[in-house]
Order: sequence, then structure tokens, then C-alpha cells
Amino acid sequence: SQQGEEDPQALSIQEGENATMNCSYKTSINNLQWYRQNSGRGLVHLILIRSNEREKHSGRLRVTLDTSKKSSSLLITASRAADTASYFCATKRGAQKLVFGQGTRLTINP
Amino acid sequence: GAVVSQHPSRVICKSGTSVKIECRSLDFQATTMFWYRQFPKQSLMLMATSNEGSKATYEQGVEKDKFLINHASLTLSTLTVTSAHPEDSSFYICSAGRDSKRGIDTQYFGPGTRLTVL
Repeated sequence: SQQGEEDPQALSIQEGENATMNCSYKTSINNLQWYRQNSGRGLVHLILIRSNEREKHSGRLRVTLDTSKKSSSLLITASRAADTASYFCATKRGAQKLVFGQGTRLTINP
Repeated sequence: GAVVSQHPSRVICKSGTSVKIECRSLDFQATTMFWYRQFPKQSLMLMATSNEGSKATYEQGVEKDKFLINHASLTLSTLTVTSAHPEDSSFYICSAGRDSKRGIDTQYFGPGTRLTVL
């Protein structure tokens, strides 16, 4: 079953604005990861944050993790048209298994 | 990042036929590969975990006899959809996991296979 709930399900913003997506989960985790999926394509790994980390940056991406609230957020700054995609959070349970959230469909309008 | 390929990228078949999808890790040895199914505008659902040289571990509700998984080498896993029906039409995605001291942290995903059963 899917553990992650993502919010919002869909987000449409203007190019140059910041986009924030949230993810909540239910059980304890080892780490949380964010992936991007362009329409009809595979997933691209964006960033991994471990349970003992609170914030992580990678280029225009900023991820936060609040284990007390069992939630994470992904911020994309200065959005570009190429950022249009679906974004999924995934939590690692056990030794190997990743469980994906429902995803946020992000549209960047030029 | 690591490269994982899938073949074919798209397949259309008649109801009742079997379809084989290949997943290859091109630049590293993957002891573990994962098979997911994704319906339109939905998330990925893990179907099974494939370990090289042993039987796959299927998720609850996934029929083992319908979705045959073989992981014969460290770079190749195959998923065979047997006696496919229209409800099996979906986007099938594989991923390959790279072992580390913490187990598998990051999975590298293939580009997916679009299966349409007529």
C-alpha cells in the first residue's frame, strides 16, 4: 500500500516562481527520497534525505524533513518550464523497499 | 547516475498472449531489481523484488503465476506477463538497486515499458 500522501495533487505556477510540494508519511523511515517523472518516462532521482537530517540542498532544490510530524517538503526555486513534471516522494522501509507517494503534477507556465 | 534500460519501450499485443519485458543495468551490477506498475496519473505500485539467483518476492495481491520474474544475472531481470488481458495494460517500470553498507539507498529507474493489451 502507498504510504506517502502528497499535497497538492496538482500545482500550476508561473515561470520564475517557487514551487513547494509536501509529503506526509505514516511509519518510521530510514530515509525519504524525491523523484521526478516526465510524462510517459521513467523516474529520475533528485535528492535523498536521511532520517537524522533536517534539510538538504541540491542546486535549485531544497528538501526538509520533519520526523516528528512525519512530513517532508520539496522546494524548487526560480522554476523553469523544464521543471514541468510529476514529483514523487518515496520512503524507504526495511532494507530495500521504496514506497511512493501519490505524486504532485507540477506545471510551469511560460 | 547509473543507467538502466528497458526493452521494449512500447508493446501492443492481443489478449491471451505473453509479453516479456527486459530490464538491464548497463554500468553496474545489480543484485536487486524492482518491478513497478503505474496506471495513468497514478503513483508507482511495487509488484515484486527480484534478487539475482533466487526467487522473486511478490507484493500482496500480485499473482506470481501471471507475472513471472527471472533475474538470471547481475545485469538482467525479466518480467513476463502471461496470458495478458486488457486490464494488464499499464506502464511497467523497473529499477536497479546498488548495494551499500546501509542496504540499497538509491534505485535507478528504467525508462518504462508501455503495455497495451487489445
